[in-house]
Formats: sequence, structure tokens, C-alpha cells
Amino acid sequence: DTEVTQTPKHLVMGMTNKKSLKCEQHMGHRAMYWYKQKAKKPPELMFVYSYEKLSINESVPSRFSPECPNSSLLNLHLHALQPEDSALYLCASSQDRGRSNEQFFGPGTRLTVL
Amino acid sequence: AQSVTQLGSHVSVSEGALVLLRCNYSSSVPPYLFWYVQYPNQGLQLLLKYTTGATLVKGINGFEAEFKKSETSFHLTKPSAHMSDAAEYFCAVSNSNSGYALNFGKGTSLLVTP
Repeated sequence: DTEVTQTPKHLVMGMTNKKSLKCEQHMGHRAMYWYKQKAKKPPELMFVYSYEKLSINESVPSRFSPECPNSSLLNLHLHALQPEDSALYLCASSQDRGRSNEQFFGPGTRLTVL
Repeated sequence: AQSVTQLGSHVSVSEGALVLLRCNYSSSVPPYLFWYVQYPNQGLQLLLKYTTGATLVKGINGFEAEFKKSETSFHLTKPSAHMSDAAEYFCAVSNSNSGYALNFGKGTSLLVTP
């Protein structure tokens, strides 16, 4: 199984809502990532978890809260988002954070904030 | 610091023609280089990667790339374009200084015409 799954595929939320994005992999990978991708732009790294511990937070606003309950699962909790947060949110995983490990990407969650 | 420059935000080729997508990198330590492809409304898929060893790297779907240290380049080629190759292509670099986080170029949109 070389798949990273993400749910939901699409999410529409108001600025006062609380929602969560979910990412799952069963490849035994120990590094997991959240990226944000705006239209016609490259992915921007948000968070990196390594062995279930947060190792990189790219100065992301606190309205985004990541969580890694176990080695297969990664969540992104959303609260009080702004319309400019509308984007494709991509999850990825890699064997670990070593030098040549390729990242496997999920299909993404398309988020629209009204 | 590390960075990637992709020359040409849009490239158009005829079906059956050579595909050449350009990528130049900057890295103060030995780089690890990747090419990813993204089809509309999908996640990123790894085409190929260079870590160490052979400088000519073959990937999926008939793509290949050559690491040229003297030119700090990692251009992506395919001898004969198919309509199905139309997509967004991202070059990315990582190295030890960045904790092996991927740094993406701005992307090149490939259009294949009949």
C-alpha cells in the first residue's frame, strides 16, 4: 500500500466554524507533513512531524493546529479561519526525514472559507 | 540556503515532440533533487529523484533528468510528448542544512497540442 489518503476531499466552512482535516498512511512512514497550496503556486510547507513529534512549524498562525495521534494518522484542526486560508491542503509522508526519502502525497483537501 | 528556479512558467509542445523543462538550483551543500508532477485537482506524484551516484536519472512515464553540478541544473526531458503529459511540473531541492525539507520551484505548466 503506497497510498496517502485524505478526508474530506472538499470542505466549505464559515469563519467561526471548527473543522478538522485527516490524513492517513499505512506505509510505516515515520515523517508526515502538511502543505498549503494556493492556485497556480507550489506547495508551501506548514508542519513536519517526525516520529510523532512536531519538528517543524513554519510560523503558521495558531488558527491551524496539527496533531499526530499515532504514526499512521495526522490531523489538522481548523478554527476561526480567514477567507485567504482557502486553498488545497496536502498531506505527505516519507520513511523518515533522512536525506533521500521521497515524500508521498495525498490527493489533498480543497478548503473554501466563506 | 537552498532554492530552485524553474525557467518558463508555461511550456507548449506538440504531441510527439521533445519535452524539456528547465530547473536550476542553488545549494551550499550537496543537494537532493526531485521532479514532481501534479495533474488537475490531484496531489503530487514523484517522477524521479537524484540523491547520489549516477547523474542521469530515469523516472516514470518515460521521463529522465540529468544532474549537472557544473551548471547547477537538473532539467527534465522526455523524447516524445503524449497528450496525457499535460500537467504542472515542480522541481524541488532538499539538503542537510534544511533538515531535508523540500523547497519547491514555482512550477512549469506543460501544454501538449495535437
